[in-house]
Amino acid sequence: AQTVTQSQPEMSVQEAETVTLSCTYDTSESDYYLFWYKQPPSRQMILVIRQEAYKQQNATENRFSVNFQKAAKSFSLKISDSQLGDAAMYFCAYRTFTGNQFYFGTGTSLTVIP
Amino acid sequence: GAGVSQSPSNKVTEKGKDVELRCDPISGHTALYWYRQSLGQGLEFLIYFQGNSAPDKSGLPSDRFSAERTGGSVSTLTIQRTQQEDSAVYLCASSFLDRHNSPLHFGNGTRLTVT
Repeated sequence: AQTVTQSQPEMSVQEAETVTLSCTYDTSESDYYLFWYKQPPSRQMILVIRQEAYKQQNATENRFSVNFQKAAKSFSLKISDSQLGDAAMYFCAYRTFTGNQFYFGTGTSLTVIP
Repeated sequence: GAGVSQSPSNKVTEKGKDVELRCDPISGHTALYWYRQSLGQGLEFLIYFQGNSAPDKSGLPSDRFSAERTGGSVSTLTIQRTQQEDSAVYLCASSFLDRHNSPLHFGNGTRLTVT
């Protein structure tokens, strides 16, 4: 089974600064999908950004962007101009191409310091 | 449109009682998932329904846990003879089957507390 690793249990960033959250995964597939989810204290899981493995271009969504390194099996999330509302738990997720299984990392708790 | 709806939002029950948690997925989503999230932890996969196929129950932690999905829509997760270690947030999510880049859409979860 695929595994997803988030090696940073906690991170902090000053408001308006940039922070990068790390995610690595293990797979033998060549095609798959990667996601970052945000879970604020309200516990609603919200999709932040997605990346198709067959696309070389890194996905971006406003202040959120990814650094997808397929060979290294790395999928980091960069948050620019951090805002107080970005404080949340962030989960990296992997979706298989042939099946419909999702695998989640253990999460990174992000604190934004005013 | 309407998102994934879960009820109840919170449930407190006594040890040994049975509980039912409900999930109403997004209309048209053929895949439905249940996850468990213990305090401060990641998501633990429980069960997955895929259209009319037999569900993937590989994540259910014991035979006290069961789930069904009626009419390809609403799902109920049942925990029998609850134990204190069952206390957690139970998250339901749905997705399209035939769109591989389709993400999971989550409900707000049910916080279960077993006293």
